[in-house]
Amino acid sequence: KAGVTQTPRYLIKTRGQQVTLSCSPISGHRSVSWYQQTPGQGLQFLFEYFSETQRNKGNFPGRFSGRQFSNSRSEMNVSTLELGDSALYLCASSLERVGQETQYFGPGTRLLVL
Amino acid sequence: GDSVTQMEGPVTLSEEAFLTINCTYTATGYPSLFWYVQYPGEGLQLLLKATKADDKGSNKGFEATYRKETTSFHLEKGSVQVSDSAVYFCAQSAGSEKLVFGKGMKLTVNP
Repeated sequence: KAGVTQTPRYLIKTRGQQVTLSCSPISGHRSVSWYQQTPGQGLQFLFEYFSETQRNKGNFPGRFSGRQFSNSRSEMNVSTLELGDSALYLCASSLERVGQETQYFGPGTRLLVL
Repeated sequence: GDSVTQMEGPVTLSEEAFLTINCTYTATGYPSLFWYVQYPGEGLQLLLKATKADDKGSNKGFEATYRKETTSFHLEKGSVQVSDSAVYFCAQSAGSEKLVFGKGMKLTVNP
């Protein structure tokens, strides 16, 4: 079974631009979560989607948004990029419940904002 | 709120040394607890988990026991190898469809 895939793997943007990251979960997984990883803040939860509905959201500004499609694939969008948005963005999938089940992580998208 | 506190390191050990990484948590309910490992340039991989008090998770020689009385989930391995060099994250489920992670600890094992 293929793992979680994320595209693109690397991205360079300039301040003020917007970016869209994509995540394809493991086949059959309906829950997709997004995390931001930075050296200073560590791993921080962005949001989680299940069956196209956002179930939970972290403490990030409204510039960060996401969505999930009927095939469980997910995208996250960051508008009006800031230097501080430079990070590794990780996507994770699980069958249905985050709390009890194993989350499987993708390799991440490394975003650099100049 | 829900949180995880773990040793941050970095830590350098010699091959075959004993490893302990301390992890404690605060939670309003009874979370599941996890250890994830991140190798250079990769995403996170689940190392082991425990879903209720006194459960012991184990994998690849690593062990951790869910201690409700001390709110801890310390990771141990009796004899580390060079291939164990990675960053280790303790996490809890926080009871609300998300994981809360500790800051991570970088381990380097020298031959």
